[in-house]
Amino acid sequence: EIVLTQSPATLSLSPGERATLSCRASQSVSSYLAWYQQKPGQAPRLLIYDASNRATGIPARFSGSGSGTDFTLTISSLEPEDFAVYYCQQRSTWYTFGQGTKLEIK
Amino acid sequence: EVQLLGSGGGLVQPGGSLRLSCAASGFTFSSSAMSWVRQAPGKGLEWVSAISASGDSTYYADSVKGRFTISRDNSKITLYLQMNSLRAEDTAVYYCAILGPGYYFDYWGQGTLVTVSS
Repeated sequence: EIVLTQSPATLSLSPGERATLSCRASQSVSSYLAWYQQKPGQAPRLLIYDASNRATGIPARFSGSGSGTDFTLTISSLEPEDFAVYYCQQRSTWYTFGQGTKLEIK
Repeated sequence: EVQLLGSGGGLVQPGGSLRLSCAASGFTFSSSAMSWVRQAPGKGLEWVSAISASGDSTYYADSVKGRFTISRDNSKITLYLQMNSLRAEDTAVYYCAILGPGYYFDYWGQGTLVTVSS
C-alpha cells in the first residue's frame, strides 16, 4: 500500500497570507495525485488532479506541483473560506489518502 | 447540477447488515464509474469500493473484501453498498462519489452515517 504523509498536521495563518501544504508518498506515484478540501460537516471537494490541474470551478489562487514522491498544494493568498482540512490522494496503485492538514485561522 | 443523495445509514449491532443507497442526478449515471469512500468520526478518508459504469467490474479495499458488495441499477440511477458482518471499525460516514475519467473522486454526496455498536 502506498502511504501518503502530509505536513504539517496543522497550519496557522492569517487571511491574505500564502499557504504551502506538503504531501509525500512512500513510493513514486508519478503525477497521479489529487488534493481535496473538506469543511466541517461537508463532503470533500476536488481541487487539484494529476498533481497540477485545477478542477472545474476552482479559483486560480489554488495551485499544485510536484511529481514522483513529493507534492505541494499552494494557496497564494488565503481567503476566509479557505480555512479547512486538506487531503492528498493517490490513484497510482488503488486509492489512498493522506491523513490531512488542518488550515486554521491564526 | 450534480446531486448524490446517500441514504440507508443507521445504528446496527456488530455482525449485522445494512444496505446503503445513493440516488444520482444531474449527470449521465450510466456512463460514470462510481465509488464509496468512508470517514470514521474525527478521522481521515478511506476508499472502500468502486464499480465500473456498466457494473461488470467491481473493486474493494482489503478491509471490506468478502463482507461488502457494491452494485448499481442504471435504470434506477442508484448506487448501492451491501454491508454484511459489520464491525465496530466500520463505523463511519459513507460517501458515494463519481469516479471521473481521470480516476479521481470528482463529486461527492453528502454522506450517510453508519454506527456499529451493541
